[in-house]
Amino acid sequence: KAGVTQTPRYLIKTRGQQVTLSCSPISGHRSVSWYQQTPGQGLQFLFEYFSETQRNKGNFPGRFSGRQFSNSRSEMNVSTLELGDSALYLCASSQGDPGTDTQYFGPGTRLTVL
Amino acid sequence: GQSLEQPSEVTAVEGAIVQINCTYQTSGFYGLSWYQQHDGGAPTFLSYNALDGLEETGRFSSFLSRSDSYGYLLLQELQMKDSASYFCAGAPLNYGGSQGNLIFGKGTKLSVKP
Repeated sequence: KAGVTQTPRYLIKTRGQQVTLSCSPISGHRSVSWYQQTPGQGLQFLFEYFSETQRNKGNFPGRFSGRQFSNSRSEMNVSTLELGDSALYLCASSQGDPGTDTQYFGPGTRLTVL
Repeated sequence: GQSLEQPSEVTAVEGAIVQINCTYQTSGFYGLSWYQQHDGGAPTFLSYNALDGLEETGRFSSFLSRSDSYGYLLLQELQMKDSASYFCAGAPLNYGGSQGNLIFGKGTKLSVKP
């Protein structure tokens, strides 16, 4: 089975721009979670989607949004980028609930905001 | 709040045994997971404790005690390739609904020396 894929792998944007990141989960996995990873804050939960519905959301501003399509692929969008949004954005998929089922992570998208 | 605490760094020598502790301060989690992340790589799943006690997977073992709000990852016969960051993670019991909100500790950077 192919693993979780994320595109693009690297992205450079300037403040005020918006960005869309894409994640394709492992075939058959219906849950997709997104995380932001920075050296200072570690891995922070953004949101989780299951069967096209957002089930859980972390403590991030409304500039961060996401969606999931019927084929389980997911996108996240960050609008009005700030310098502090520079981070590695990871998505992970699991068959069921991430809290009890193994999560498989993609390689991440490294976002740099200038 | 909900948090998992881990030591930030641990150093050990090849062939040794090292224990990475994880304590949490919340009403509890559905279970405790452990992930490994090499520099520049994605987190990969190591083990999951759904119940109190010890889970063993090859050179790695993980332990959970809900009454003590404490868990640990034990790595035996350390190898150079074990140098990585190790994260404990859990989905809070009090989140309601699904267990989709996975909280990660800030990670323990393990350095294995020859």
